[in-house]
Amino acid sequence: AQKITQTQPGMFVQEKEAVTLDCTYDTSDQSYGLFWYKQPSSGEMIFLIYQGSYDEQNATEGRYSLNFQKARKSANLVISASQLGDSAMYFCAMREGLSSNYKLTFGKGTLLTVNP
Amino acid sequence: NAGVMQNPRHLVRRRGQEARLRCSPMKGHSHVYWYRQLPEEGLKFMVYLQKENIIDESGMPKERFSAEFPKEGPSILRIQQVVRGDSAAYFCASSPMTGGDGYTFGSGTRLTVV
Repeated sequence: AQKITQTQPGMFVQEKEAVTLDCTYDTSDQSYGLFWYKQPSSGEMIFLIYQGSYDEQNATEGRYSLNFQKARKSANLVISASQLGDSAMYFCAMREGLSSNYKLTFGKGTLLTVNP
Repeated sequence: NAGVMQNPRHLVRRRGQEARLRCSPMKGHSHVYWYRQLPEEGLKFMVYLQKENIIDESGMPKERFSAEFPKEGPSILRIQQVVRGDSAAYFCASSPMTGGDGYTFGSGTRLTVV
């Protein structure tokens, strides 16, 4: 079974609007971490936001927020007020177990296009 | 404070040649992780190294691939006798201690095998 599922291969949004990128995960561990990374066309991997499984509040970083629904095993990324520079691939990733576990499992990504 | 430095950014090799990918971790980071990204896929873990030690190479292909992180100098991912299927982006990440909460990725090396 897929550990990380991103069901949207591509998404389009108008500039200045909000967009939600979906991510569901599968783990039997109680302790885990969820990450979102952005990969622009230049190719680098840029860390956006992190949510720990025991964090009670949804993580936020500027225009990025993570809609964490533990019972549904979903960790959707919300980008508010989209900008043209947000056009990129977005990857959801998970670390299972304690933070001493170093392996991240990535989804296949969602290509976001922001239209002017 | 320089980030994780990878070089070269782009590498072209003919089938059968060797590819050497270098990664210098962030200052103060002694843990290095290599990931591979095949076309239209997410990143997949290959190997985890500390200085002079391979901790976990469970994601590395058994043949032709090797990695090292010497006491001095960068970490090296070496691919011998490259084949077309090795064409991918190879990312290195580093952290100050063992753990998946403190990753900083480099910009990657894009290997093309012709």
